[in-house]
Amino acid sequence: EDQVTQSPEALRLQEGESSSLNCSYTVSGLRGLFWYRQDPGKGPEFLFTLYSAGEEKEKERLKATLTKKESFLHITAPKPEDSATYLCAVRNSGNTPLVFGKGTRLSVIA
Amino acid sequence: EAQVTQNPRYLITVTGKKLTVTCSQNMNHEYMSWYRQDPGLGLRQIYYSMNVEVTDKGDVPEGYKVSRKEKRNFPLILESPSPNQTSLYFCASGSIHTSTDTQYFGPGTRLTVL
Repeated sequence: EDQVTQSPEALRLQEGESSSLNCSYTVSGLRGLFWYRQDPGKGPEFLFTLYSAGEEKEKERLKATLTKKESFLHITAPKPEDSATYLCAVRNSGNTPLVFGKGTRLSVIA
Repeated sequence: EAQVTQNPRYLITVTGKKLTVTCSQNMNHEYMSWYRQDPGLGLRQIYYSMNVEVTDKGDVPEGYKVSRKEKRNFPLILESPSPNQTSLYFCASGSIHTSTDTQYFGPGTRLTVL
């Protein structure tokens, strides 16, 4: 059974304090690993898709990396507007539905 | 504008009163899905559809029905809602082709069943 575990559950950072969120996964043949951002009461907003170990993608202050067992979402010099819940999800090679982790709730304090 | 729309956005109902939550996408996506999100449990898939007239159960299908008669629409039906179906519901759509695997989510429907 495909599984996704995200850590930490919650993270509180000072503005400008860089950190990383972790997504550990087990999947029978990875087709893709996805990162989403979700603001309270809103739908998840797509950030990145990673397909193979060693791949990296960047968007503004966010950088996602992928190994064979985990993915990291690095946040460089975060701002208060980066506060949100960050969700990780995987899809296996059988084209089955996404499996989501429970998310990391990030708070960035000015 | 490419988007997934859901209606209604908020709904309060009573136990046993049939309801339908509509979902529509304008991106010509083959794949559509319904999720529910509950505190501490994360996003859980209810049903999904790979194309018109093709639907499959997700992780938590009990008490729900879906249909996919048109490519753009994927309504979620609760024939006899119960309080344990109080939740935040999201519809999503995406392409099934390998090169574009992203799912796009709607704004959510907050359902309360009394």
